[in-house]
Amino acid sequence: GAGVSQTPSNKVTEKGKYVELRCDPISGHTALYWYRQSLGQGPEFLIYFQGTGAADDSGLPNDRFFAVRPEGSVSTLKIQRTERGDSAVYLCASSYIGGDTQYFGPGTRLTVL
Amino acid sequence: GNSVTQMEGPVTLSEEAFLTINCTYTATGYPSLFWYVQYPGEGLQLLLKATKADDKGSNKGFEATYRKETTSFHLEKGSVQVSDSAVYFCALIGPQGGSEKLVFGKGTKLTVNP
Repeated sequence: GAGVSQTPSNKVTEKGKYVELRCDPISGHTALYWYRQSLGQGPEFLIYFQGTGAADDSGLPNDRFFAVRPEGSVSTLKIQRTERGDSAVYLCASSYIGGDTQYFGPGTRLTVL
Repeated sequence: GNSVTQMEGPVTLSEEAFLTINCTYTATGYPSLFWYVQYPGEGLQLLLKATKADDKGSNKGFEATYRKETTSFHLEKGSVQVSDSAVYFCALIGPQGGSEKLVFGKGTKLTVNP
């Protein structure tokens, strides 16, 4: 079956602009996660959804970052007023609720000029 | 909070050499432990996992044993291949009832030369 997909694969934007990153989880996976991976670092947790609701958003760095999952499937990570420090690869993962294996998408590489 | 410390790379080996990548963790209770691998140009993939003390995870010739007494989960392979060249991440999920988020180490880049 299809894995986790993320679009776009690459996004280049200018400082101050708004961006949206999309994640399509594996069908049937009710848990969805966003992580951010900076160059040379491991992924860092941003937010976790169970169904439509954010169960843990403790990793969002500030109020410029927001994520939604209105129908419990596709999720969108939204970044307002982008800054150069937001440049990173944004990873999405999904799993069954209570499952300990997360399946990762290929990521979106965001570059803020 | 929970954290993972792994051996920094890069690591360069010849084909058929023995591999060890060290990983230690700090966590309350008994976390589940993972090794993820990122091949060049590909996404993160689960390599192996262990969910309780003394469990051994294994896959593709790689092994790691959950050592509660030393809070470690070292990755080993007896004979590496060129195709094992990748970045390896040690990670944990906090014990049952805690957050489901993965906490990752910084990653270790492995290069295997023919």
